[in-house]
Amino acid sequence: DAGVIQSPRHEVTEMGQEVTLRCKPISGHDYLFWYRQTMMRGLELLIYFNNNVPIDDSGMPEDRFSAKMPNASFSTLKIQPSEPRDSAVYFCASSTGQGLFSGANVLTFGAGSRLTVL
Amino acid sequence: DQQVKQNSPSLSVQEGRISILNCDYTNSMFDYFLWYKKYPAEGPTFLISISSIKDKNEDGRFTVFLNKSAKHLSLHIVPSQPGDSAVYFCAASDETGTASKLTFGTGTRLQVTL
Repeated sequence: DAGVIQSPRHEVTEMGQEVTLRCKPISGHDYLFWYRQTMMRGLELLIYFNNNVPIDDSGMPEDRFSAKMPNASFSTLKIQPSEPRDSAVYFCASSTGQGLFSGANVLTFGAGSRLTVL
Repeated sequence: DQQVKQNSPSLSVQEGRISILNCDYTNSMFDYFLWYKKYPAEGPTFLISISSIKDKNEDGRFTVFLNKSAKHLSLHIVPSQPGDSAVYFCAASDETGTASKLTFGTGTRLQVTL
């Protein structure tokens, strides 16, 4: 398996522009997570899906952020309009969602999308 | 409010010595803890975990210790190697038996020097 695939790896845009980040989870993983990494807050959970359905979006910072998962192999995180404070590395991760104590419920992360908003 | 705290942003250790990375948490409902390792330009990768029913878990050079009463865990790496140089994230979960909605700390950058 190629692992979790994210695109683009780097995005530089101007304030006010729309940004779309993409993720392809590992085949067979029922859970998909979007995290944001900043120096001040570390890795923050933005939203996660189970079987393509959003379960918890309490970490989405504002209405400018939205995420979709139209099918089991694709998810997007959209920021519209983007602001300089959105500059961060955005990670997508997936897991099987089995019980924690089984050891199988470990997140596998993609390589991340580094966003810079000027 | 940061529920998982890694108060040391960086740590430098000589090759062959022990590296100790610390993590504190505030949520008493957390019952499963993990450490992830991250190299530059890569995503975090799972390293080792421990459930709240244990106080120690060992995997080769890596050992995680959990002190529930102090709400503290630590990762020991013995002996440290240059390839261990990375950012280490502590994570915790309170959703036993379900998907890992993990809460991460801010990370500690470990540098192992020759």
